[in-house]
Amino acid sequence: KNEVEQSPQNLTAQEGEFITINCSYSVGISALHWLQQHPGGGIVSLFMLSSGKKKHGRLIATINIQEKHSSLHITASHPRDSAVYICAVGGSQGNLIFGKGTKLSVKP
Amino acid sequence: GAGVSQSPSNKVTEKGKDVELRCDPISGHTALYWYRQSLGQGLEFLIYFQGNSAPDKSGLPSDRFSAERTGGSVSTLTIQRTQQEDSAVYLCASSLGLAGEEEQYFGPGTRLTVT
Repeated sequence: KNEVEQSPQNLTAQEGEFITINCSYSVGISALHWLQQHPGGGIVSLFMLSSGKKKHGRLIATINIQEKHSSLHITASHPRDSAVYICAVGGSQGNLIFGKGTKLSVKP
Repeated sequence: GAGVSQSPSNKVTEKGKDVELRCDPISGHTALYWYRQSLGQGLEFLIYFQGNSAPDKSGLPSDRFSAERTGGSVSTLTIQRTQQEDSAVYLCASSLGLAGEEEQYFGPGTRLTVT
């Protein structure tokens, strides 16, 4: 079993839809990261959180430490949101442990 | 300000040759990370530096891989006697502190192709 599990693996949505990507982890963490990787390959950090909820524009990230679960929500999705979204947890060794990513495609 | 830069952006090499990949982190970032992403695969942690020290080298795939960081700044990842399975995008990231506690900033990556 992977230490970081994401679902779904692939997601296709229509423009305007509300999107949720889930991440569950089995290790103790200091923080959880949500990353975005565009088709060109560049990776951008979206959120780093260790508790509660963070919001940036149309993106919302939540984490439940007790349940070892995090969600990334995208409101009013747009084709430019199409990317791979990666969940990663900060391990006690200082490294990051990655999920396999969720490939999102938003159709106009 | 300047972000994380990596060079070269692309590298094609013959099997058996050595390659050196370079990462320039954001100025002042004490932590530096190397990751690998093989085609169609997820991100794989290789090694990280806190200052010039690498506390955890267990992610390096084999003893052909080595990395160093000097002056708390530039880092090089060296792959000796490259094999075809080394073909991947090698990504570098830096942060103010450890990844578990600080946001990471990623470089554009070096695409390595071993023929």
